[in-house]
Amino acid sequence: AQKITQTQPGMFVQEKEAVTLDCTYDTSDPSYGLFWYKQPSSGEMIFLIYQGSYDQQNATEGRYSLNFQKARKSANLVISASQLGDSAMYFCAMSLYGNNRLAFGKGNQVVVIP
Amino acid sequence: NAGVTQTPKFRILKIGQSMTLQCAQDMNHNYMYWYRQDPGMGLKLIYYSVGAGITDKGEVPNGYNVSRSTTEDFPLRLELAAPSQTSVYFCASSSSQGNTEAFFGQGTRLTVV
Repeated sequence: AQKITQTQPGMFVQEKEAVTLDCTYDTSDPSYGLFWYKQPSSGEMIFLIYQGSYDQQNATEGRYSLNFQKARKSANLVISASQLGDSAMYFCAMSLYGNNRLAFGKGNQVVVIP
Repeated sequence: NAGVTQTPKFRILKIGQSMTLQCAQDMNHNYMYWYRQDPGMGLKLIYYSVGAGITDKGEVPNGYNVSRSTTEDFPLRLELAAPSQTSVYFCASSSSQGNTEAFFGQGTRLTVV
């Protein structure tokens, strides 16, 4: 079974600064995908970024980038130029190719301060 | 685009009551899921479906049942509600083509008292 670990305590980040959220995963399957979702205080789950296990380059989506280190089984999310609207819980998740069932970590709380 | 629609948004149940959480998607996705999120935790998979007529258990299925009679709808049934089922429930759907992101509904906040 897949396991996702997010252990950072809540983080405060200054507006316009970058923040890195740690995520490590464990699976014996070579074919998998890694996802990051944002959950603001309103509660909805918002997809941010995806990285496939066979992708050669790190994924980027606007201000979001994924630092994928396959040998270390880590998939850290980097948010550049933080904005007040980035204050939220951030969840790392993974699924195996072919089933799309997500296993989630416990999340990282980020608070952006002006 | 409606995406994934869940109803109701909030519900309070008494211990032993039953209810059905509704979920519908309009993206023609074959895959649908039910997750629960307990306070301070990530989401855990309750049940999933890979197509109409096909359902299977996830990580935490006890106390729940599902059905999938159409591609669009995937209701979750709670029988004999217990306080341990107090949680936020999310329905999601995804395409069966490749390893793609799941689209989530707005969630249902359920309290069992």
